[in-house]
Amino acid sequence: NAGVTQTPKFQVLKTGQSMTLQCAQDMNHEYMSWYRQDPGMGLRLIHYSVGAGITDQGEVPNGYNVSRSTTEDFPLRLLSAAPSQTSVYFCASRPRGGVKEKLFFGSGTQLSVL
Amino acid sequence: GQSLEQPSEVTAVEGAIVQINCTYQTSGFYGLSWYQQHDGGAPTFLSYNALDGLEETGRFSSFLSRSDSYGYLLLQELQMKDSASYFCAVRDQAAGNKLTFGGGTRVLVKP
Repeated sequence: NAGVTQTPKFQVLKTGQSMTLQCAQDMNHEYMSWYRQDPGMGLRLIHYSVGAGITDQGEVPNGYNVSRSTTEDFPLRLLSAAPSQTSVYFCASRPRGGVKEKLFFGSGTQLSVL
Repeated sequence: GQSLEQPSEVTAVEGAIVQINCTYQTSGFYGLSWYQQHDGGAPTFLSYNALDGLEETGRFSSFLSRSDSYGYLLLQELQMKDSASYFCAVRDQAAGNKLTFGGGTRVLVKP
């Protein structure tokens, strides 16, 4: 199993550009989420989804959109990138059952907005 | 809402014991979990305490006291590979499915 796969690993954008960070999991996990990680601030939840067709906002949703058309995929869209969105982005998933605090993380996308 | 406090950095030598404390404030509470993250890597789940007391997994142990809103991660027989950041996290009853992380504790193990 590949687990949680994120692409790209690195990305540089100019202010105002748009892009989509991809996240896919092959574990049939119902719950998927996006976090951003900034130095000294831990991981902050952007958006999450409890199943296909269902999404909700996390702690820092502004400037980001998500959709969940399939169980496997949960892309994160930046419509108009800003320097404040420079960060490392992690996608994470977990199954419906079991310990809900146990997330499986992808390897991350390092994004720089100039 | 929730807030979690943990020290920013701890330094210790190989073979030593390190305790990383985590205090939290939540309006409701399922339990306390811990994650490890090496530089440039992804966070990986270490442990979860739903009940008060000590949970042991090899060299690592985690403790929870609900009455004190406090928990800790204990790293024993430190090895160089334990150099990493460690995050505590809580899932708040009022926040549903959201897992909130502390700011992380960077552990540096010296020879």
